[in-house]
Amino acid sequence: DQQVKQNSPSLSVQEGRISILNCDYTNSMFDYFLWYKKYPAEGPTFLISISSIKDKNEDGRFTVFLNKSAKHLSLHIVPSQPGDSAVYFCAASARGSTLGRLYFGRGTQLTVWP
Amino acid sequence: EPEVTQTPSHQVTQMGQEVILRCVPISNHLYFYWYRQILGQKVEFLVSFYNNEISEKSEIFDDQFSVERPDGSNFTLKIRSTKLEDSAMYFCASSEAGRSYEQYFGPGTRLTVT
Repeated sequence: DQQVKQNSPSLSVQEGRISILNCDYTNSMFDYFLWYKKYPAEGPTFLISISSIKDKNEDGRFTVFLNKSAKHLSLHIVPSQPGDSAVYFCAASARGSTLGRLYFGRGTQLTVWP
Repeated sequence: EPEVTQTPSHQVTQMGQEVILRCVPISNHLYFYWYRQILGQKVEFLVSFYNNEISEKSEIFDDQFSVERPDGSNFTLKIRSTKLEDSAMYFCASSEAGRSYEQYFGPGTRLTVT
């Protein structure tokens, strides 16, 4: 089951620079996309989401871009801070899922160094 | 800030034994979920639950699994006869009515089956 793919297992960025995390999906029925952040020994924490009717959603330092034709979304973090170091999961939910069953990618470990 | 709590944080059991994992969702949330993450793999959906009924379940959620909301605050996952491959981190999540995609996760229970 590879409906949501995060092809980069890790990303290392200097503090203050932009972090760009990428995600691809294969299921055309997906209509809602989310990013979660996870620290060790904690559960995933909801970060930001986007509906398929939009192509961009911004919340403070975090912006998610959606390219439906390419089935691709990305999360931009500007400026990156050391506290952003965590595993970032892309997730998606499909039309027809009554309570929003989420499909997750494998995650990308972001490390922000000073 | 309200949060989802889970107990125990770590459960060790022998193959064939029954286990019950417990969760207290956020108090005004109406939708409840269980996910699991086997070490090194992606977070996978198990089941969603609303109004004392299962709304959706994955192919993983076979007859060995059951969920219950025994009172107004707890939400439990029971595995009747554990197998070695049930060893994983189990996450409970909850969401508000009308915002099912934005799911809030607990810290997880690490289940180790020996």
